[in-house]
Amino acid sequence: DAGITQSPRHKVTETGTPVTLRCHQTENHRYMYWYRQDPGHGLRLIHYSYGVKDTDKGEVSDGYSVSRSKTEDFLLTLESATSSQTSVYFCAISEVATSTDTQYFGPGTRLTVL
Amino acid sequence: QKEVEQDPGPLSVPEGAIVSLNCTYSNSAFQYFMWYRQYSRKGPELLMYTYSSGNKEDGRFTAQVDKSSKYISLFIRDSQPSDSATYLCAMIPVDNYGQNFVFGPGTRLSVLP
Repeated sequence: DAGITQSPRHKVTETGTPVTLRCHQTENHRYMYWYRQDPGHGLRLIHYSYGVKDTDKGEVSDGYSVSRSKTEDFLLTLESATSSQTSVYFCAISEVATSTDTQYFGPGTRLTVL
Repeated sequence: QKEVEQDPGPLSVPEGAIVSLNCTYSNSAFQYFMWYRQYSRKGPELLMYTYSSGNKEDGRFTAQVDKSSKYISLFIRDSQPSDSATYLCAMIPVDNYGQNFVFGPGTRLSVLP
């Protein structure tokens, strides 16, 4: 998985609790992304980062925040988890963000919100 | 209408069959097209990457793009049980930045021995 780890790999939590997912890369890539994957919707971008402390929103950012204090780590936080945030979350990285680049994905975190 | 559409399957074929996986899209700005393979409970991995119209071959895999029809295909020859996975198409516009990847929902393929 291109030097990308995600933790935890599985989590069950209750509605209203905060949750933080971690993505760690050893490739020193500048760009990092958080996606969620749901049946029938494919991968949808939540937030992305184009450098340390530089982040921006994706297609489905409501209810999520991110932080990137080091090149290798990108954190996704659900401030108050809801059942609609039950999903599989993937982190991805890319070296640059041009048309000739592509993204490499981590193994995913399966989150269940009860 | 979704920006990228794929038949979700599941598609079941016998070992050795030729498999055709397809995506249609609506945004004519898409210029770069990718196919990812995703095994169960794993992250997607890049399989093929093509630019604009035409064919690209890599071993048993051929990616085909028809921009006039807004249609892309992935062909798998001599399919193997190890090809059983979900196949996602992805595409990006000519002025891409990483946040503009658009993924199809995926087609689940099962190759039966």
